[in-house]
Amino acid sequence: GESVGLHLPTLSVQEGDNSIINCAYSNSASDYFIWYKQESGKGPQFIIDIRSNMDKRQGQRVTVLLNKTVKHLSLQIAATQPGDSAVYFCAENGSGNTGKLIFGQGTTLQVKP
Amino acid sequence: DTGVSQDPRHKITKRGQNVTFRCDPISEHNRLYWYRQTLGQGPEFLTYFQNEAQLEKSRLLSDRFSAERPKGSFSTLEIQRTEQGDSAMYLCASSFSIGQGIDGELFFGEGSRLTVL
Repeated sequence: GESVGLHLPTLSVQEGDNSIINCAYSNSASDYFIWYKQESGKGPQFIIDIRSNMDKRQGQRVTVLLNKTVKHLSLQIAATQPGDSAVYFCAENGSGNTGKLIFGQGTTLQVKP
Repeated sequence: DTGVSQDPRHKITKRGQNVTFRCDPISEHNRLYWYRQTLGQGPEFLTYFQNEAQLEKSRLLSDRFSAERPKGSFSTLEIQRTEQGDSAMYLCASSFSIGQGIDGELFFGEGSRLTVL
């Protein structure tokens, strides 16, 4: 079935270091991917997206890399701050021309001061 | 506040009771989504609307669940004869899309947390 997964459930980094959160997706037909951040008790918040015709996209302090060959997605956060502590989800649009997103299980990012 | 609004934020009910959640999307958004999220898991897709049309329903949406978006604006999600396994956070999201696929990000509300005793 369709699924999006993450390699590590928890990532702990020192404040100021760079963070890399990984995601493996299974559906090669997916052509749109999004990273969301979810803080405790809140809804997911959009961070950055990428379409399959791109390998890399940069935002403010964040970069998303897409490797379609191995169906791998990563989120890089530069100079990680305490406010970055949250659960991070990758999501894909799955097969077909559907309007839904399929989410992975999430990686908890803990930033140590 | 011009974001996605959900009501109630918390609902505690006894098994067998019916509950209804309401979602008010961002006003210019034509798409509205319902997701369910349990502790430690990612959001699971339930259903979505484009304007008032319900375009897709997940197999997770049993016959006890019904969602409506009668005028293409707000939406309701009703769960009949609740079971303990229905306890979860119910998330609503909205977006604006022109084509069939996803054109841009989904904006999520804060969710409605359901506890079934």
